[in-house]
Amino acid sequence: NAGVTQTPKFRILKIGQSMTLQCTQDMNHNYMYWYRQDPGMGLKLIYYSVGAGITDKGEVPNGYNVSRSTTEDFPLRLELAAPSQTSVYFCASSYSGQTFNQPQHFGDGTRLSIL
Amino acid sequence: EDKVVQSPLSLVVHEGDTVTLNCSYEVTNFRSLLWYKQEKKAPTFLFMLTSSGIEKKSGRLSSILDKKELSSILNITATQTGDSAIYLCAVGSNFGNEKLTFGTGTRLTIIP
Repeated sequence: NAGVTQTPKFRILKIGQSMTLQCTQDMNHNYMYWYRQDPGMGLKLIYYSVGAGITDKGEVPNGYNVSRSTTEDFPLRLELAAPSQTSVYFCASSYSGQTFNQPQHFGDGTRLSIL
Repeated sequence: EDKVVQSPLSLVVHEGDTVTLNCSYEVTNFRSLLWYKQEKKAPTFLFMLTSSGIEKKSGRLSSILDKKELSSILNITATQTGDSAIYLCAVGSNFGNEKLTFGTGTRLTIIP
């Protein structure tokens, strides 16, 4: 059981480039999330999805886009990369969105540097 | 704005010591408090505490939720080098929609 899988693990981008961070889960979870983790800061929610075809903004959505065409996949798109987007990105999933009921399960993260 | 504060920020102890990590919170409509362990990669789930389950224990790790003081502690007894990690506290709340608010974490280092 692979759980939540993120690719790539590391990436260096130039300012203004774009890329897609991939996330897939094999637990048949309805809810999926994208977080970023900056040094000395807690994880911040970028976007989340409650099911295929449904996405919503989190706390820090600017500069990112998402889509959810299947239950398994939840890619995160960076358009016009900026140095402020240098961070570690985590994808997570949970069966339900109720925080008192089901913990979120995390992927190993993607370390992204924008130079 | 919801807030989760962890202390200390970092802690260095010798193998065999007992440690206590703290998490305090201010959120609207509290639902749960979760502890995660983060080594080099993914945060891994340790405990979930709620109004109906304020104490959890697994081996050398235990956690208690104090809803009156709006805080939680994570205890690790007889620490081992494998306990070295960042411990994250996250609080679930519901103000329109469910969300998790994370603290900045406590970096625990165990010296052999």
